[in-house]
Formats: sequence, C-alpha cells, structure tokens
Amino acid sequence: ETGVTQTPRHLVMGMTNKKSLKCEQHLGHNAMYWYKQSAKKPLELMFVYNFKEQTENNSVPSRFSPECPNSSHLFLHLHTLQPEDSALYLCASSQDGGQTGEQYFGPGTRLTVT
Amino acid sequence: GQNIDQPTEMTATEGAIVQINCTYQTSGFNGLFWYQQHAGEAPTFLSYNVLDGLEEKGRFSSFLSRSKGYSYLLLKELQMKDSASYLCAVLDSNYQLIWGAGTKLIIKP
Repeated sequence: ETGVTQTPRHLVMGMTNKKSLKCEQHLGHNAMYWYKQSAKKPLELMFVYNFKEQTENNSVPSRFSPECPNSSHLFLHLHTLQPEDSALYLCASSQDGGQTGEQYFGPGTRLTVT
Repeated sequence: GQNIDQPTEMTATEGAIVQINCTYQTSGFNGLFWYQQHAGEAPTFLSYNVLDGLEEKGRFSSFLSRSKGYSYLLLKELQMKDSASYLCAVLDSNYQLIWGAGTKLIIKP
C-alpha cells in the first residue's frame, strides 16, 4: 500500500469522449504530480502542484486539463484525445514540490484511446 | 540536451548478482534516484545518492561517481520477485527530475 490511489485503473475512450482520472493521496504530502509513461520511454512529467498551486506545466497539450481542489486530490480531465495519448498515467506525491525527496506513486491508469 | 542512459533489458539467474548501470548528462546535479517498478504496478523508491560512494541497503546497493556521471544499482542474492523494471532519475540544477527509460530485469531460475 503506497498511500496513493488512482481510479480508474483501466480506461478505454474514443477520441470524442470526455473523461477524468482521479488521484488521492493519504500521506499528508504537499505536492502532487501527473506523469505519462509510454512503453520503453522515460517518464514524462506533465504537471506539478505544490500546495494546490500549479508550479509546472511541461508543454502539455490543452486536451489534458489538471485540477487540484486540495492537497490530497488531483484530477486529470481528458477531452478529444489522440491515439498517441494511449499510455499509463501515473500520479505521485511528495512532501514538498521541489522534487528533492522521494516520490510516492499510485498504481496508474492504463488509458487506451480508440 | 539532458540524457539518462541505462540498458533496456538484462537477464540474470536466481541467487546471482547483477549490476544495472546508469550514465547521465544533465545541466547540474542535485542527486540520483533509483526506483523499482513491477509490471502493472507503481514505481517504488529504492535509493538516493548525492555524494560519491556506495550506499548499501540490504541486498541492494547504489553507487555514484559524480565526476564520471555514472551510477549503478547492485542487486545481490537475486530472487524471482526482483524481476521488475529499474528506473534511474537525476535531479538537475533546476531541481527537475530527469528520468531514464528504465531497465527491465528478468530473473531466471
């Protein structure tokens, strides 16, 4: 049990659909992250939230829209995705947002865009 | 550009020792992490090195040479459960984590 949960674990959606990924951390951390993991590629950092404020947006297309209502919850809203967006989306949290410390990851959402 | 290199895949035998190498070229250095990721599961933290030398933690050890831009993860007394991907990540001068693509380790009986 890593203390970070993600739902759903698997998602299949069409290119015209709208869906949301949810992440919740039970560790009392102040920072949360969204990553994209594609096969045989490095983890790609998408968004960072520190104390609910977005501090990082690594040139992510606008079809991905994050939301952080509080320090424990993080959402990724998806709309009009492309097949190349199919990947494992990982949420992580850490004590602070400087990425200096250990990050705790959720199990991920396996997304398939058809 | 910034780059982390590690082998794509390695195979080792149960009970043996394996060394997974990681070389990096980054703008500055503020530490190096190793994570383990079993198939279909979350990455979990293994080690953090910021100074040169060897850090030992049970069957796992991690080594760092900052002058050579090099680290390795050493796994001893391999067990079948060690079959996983091992991710190397470097914290650069802007405190951004740069990730390698991971090394898939296959353990055979």
